[in-house]
This record gives sequence, C-alpha cells and structure tokens, in this order.
Amino acid sequence: QVTLRESGPALVKPTQTLTLTCTFSGFSLSTIGMCVNWIRQPPGKPLEWLARIDWDDDKYYITSLMTRLAISKDTSKNQVVLTLSNMDPVDTATYYCARGDIFFDFWGQGMLVTVSS
Amino acid sequence: EVVLTQSPASLSLSPGDRATLSCRASQSVGSYLAWYQLKPGQAPRLLIFDSSHRATGIPPRFSGSGSGTDFTLSISSLEPEDFAIYYCQQRSNWPPVFTFGPGTKVEIK
Repeated sequence: QVTLRESGPALVKPTQTLTLTCTFSGFSLSTIGMCVNWIRQPPGKPLEWLARIDWDDDKYYITSLMTRLAISKDTSKNQVVLTLSNMDPVDTATYYCARGDIFFDFWGQGMLVTVSS
Repeated sequence: EVVLTQSPASLSLSPGDRATLSCRASQSVGSYLAWYQLKPGQAPRLLIFDSSHRATGIPPRFSGSGSGTDFTLSISSLEPEDFAIYYCQQRSNWPPVFTFGPGTKVEIK
C-alpha cells in the first residue's frame, strides 16, 4: 500500500525558509523509474507543480521558483525534503507530495502552510 | 511552456446527469494528459492517465478521450460523491515540467 505524508511548520514568517518533509511507504526511491514531486495549491487557485526528484538523484524545478527551491532525498528513511527560501505571503498554500514521473498516481493529504508575520 | 485551459470554469448539474469537461493545450501534448479530482480535505485522486486510461479503482462512469491539444473528461451519470473540482495536467517532454489547468468545478444544481 502506497502512502505519502507531508510534515513541517504550519506557519512561517516572511523571509524565512520553509522546510517540508515527505515521508512515504509502499515503494522505494532507489527503484529505477521512481520519482517524487512537490505540488502546491494556494487558496482558491489551481495546482502548481514545484519540483521533482528521481531515483538517480536527478532534480527538476519550476522555472519561476528555481532560485528559491531545493529538493533532496534520504532513501534510507524513505523521505524527500523540499526547501523554499525567502518565503512571502503569496507562498501561502497547501503543499502536497506525490509520486510519479508523467502523472501523479499517489498523493499525500497535503498540509497548509501560512506565511504571516 | 504548455498552457492548459479548461472549460467551463464551473458546471451546475444534478445527480444522474452527464458531465463533459474540456481541457485544451496551447501546443500538442500527444496523449500525455491526466485528470484529477480534488475535494476539500482529501488527497487529490488520479482519475485518468495517458488521456484515456482509467486509474486503478476508478469507476467506469469516468472516461477520457482526446489527443494533441483537445481532451475531454466525461462522467456518464453523476453520483453525489462526484461533485468536486477537476484538473487536467500534462508533462512536457524535456525538461520534465508539469502544468495543470485552472480547473472545472462540478457543483450540485
């Protein structure tokens, strides 16, 4: 059974760095072809893909946020970590992690991160 | 970057009605298009991948079609649990960059 769960702070201040962890089970990121992504949804707005990390440690980012994003993995812990620097209120969103390379077949429940002083 | 547009933005229907949702890409995406269902407080659910393939556990009332730039998600007979927001999504070939459409809200009439 594949599951993913996001964890991290629910509230961050402007200019701080957000660190989110995706803990998953039911698959391994050392398996060829496996990928984990981060996707967010600001309140009332559509989904926005942010980043992806592959089994071979290749990494891909949305162009508009590339300078602020970093994704990494700890295969032994079945975790993927996303950092987003210099947080701004417009980064307030529900952040999801999801498995997939072309489409996303399993998602976490998501966690709402609010940026406010 | 491929831009996806969805129409209509919202659809007001009754249980038992047929729903037809459209997704249009700014350039050809082949058959690399997926559809998701989102409900508040729940994990998004993959419905359709590769334009027309139902994901595991998705009931046959959901069907997808299309290729190139024009795609359709159909729900043959709406059940109460189908009232939700639906998003289409594509992946560019290289580099792998993903975009979602703005969504279609299917609400109860």
